[in-house]
Amino acid sequence: ETGVTQSPTHLIKTRGQQVTLRCSSQSGHNTVSWYQQALGQGPQFIFQYYREEENGRGNFPPRFSGLQFPNYSSELNVNALELDDSALYLCASSSGRTADTQYFGPGTRLTVL
Amino acid sequence: KNEVEQSPQNLTAQEGEFITINCSYSVGISALHWLQQHPGGGIVSLFMLSSGKKKHGRLIATINIQEKHSSLHITASHPRDSAVYICAVINTGNQFYFGTGTSLTVIP
Repeated sequence: ETGVTQSPTHLIKTRGQQVTLRCSSQSGHNTVSWYQQALGQGPQFIFQYYREEENGRGNFPPRFSGLQFPNYSSELNVNALELDDSALYLCASSSGRTADTQYFGPGTRLTVL
Repeated sequence: KNEVEQSPQNLTAQEGEFITINCSYSVGISALHWLQQHPGGGIVSLFMLSSGKKKHGRLIATINIQEKHSSLHITASHPRDSAVYICAVINTGNQFYFGTGTSLTVIP
């Protein structure tokens, strides 16, 4: 059974640029959630996708967008990067539309200069 | 005001001690998660519960829905338990709210 993987591991961008982060779900999971974790803070929920449709969204601006593909892998896109976007971005996969145990990926560390 | 509050923020214990971490929340929930995060970022889901009590090895999690409170207990703590423990809830609108975490250090 393959766990949740994320790419890239680390990324450095400059203000105003756009970034795409990728997540490959655990086998058999059809739900993926994305979180932002600033240094020293708890994670913040960005959004969740279930079977390719958005299934819940946190308090993030529209420049944070996502996609889930038919194989249930997922992308997080962030446009017009700001310094405060520097954080660890975590994805987690689970099975089913409602609450279920989440399996987290290792995260992508994004630094915006 | 945070929807999820954890206490204590930091905790240092001697190996073998019984540890309790508390979580209070203010929203209606469908489930509550306890997560463990080690240095470097990796997060592991320890428990998901919506009522009662769950036990896994030396870890026990309880939840009281009426009081909007959950506790995570670690019996016979060990240095490898040193990590940040995070409480997270899912509200009835399928939004997730996280506590800021409890940093636990277990000294040999």
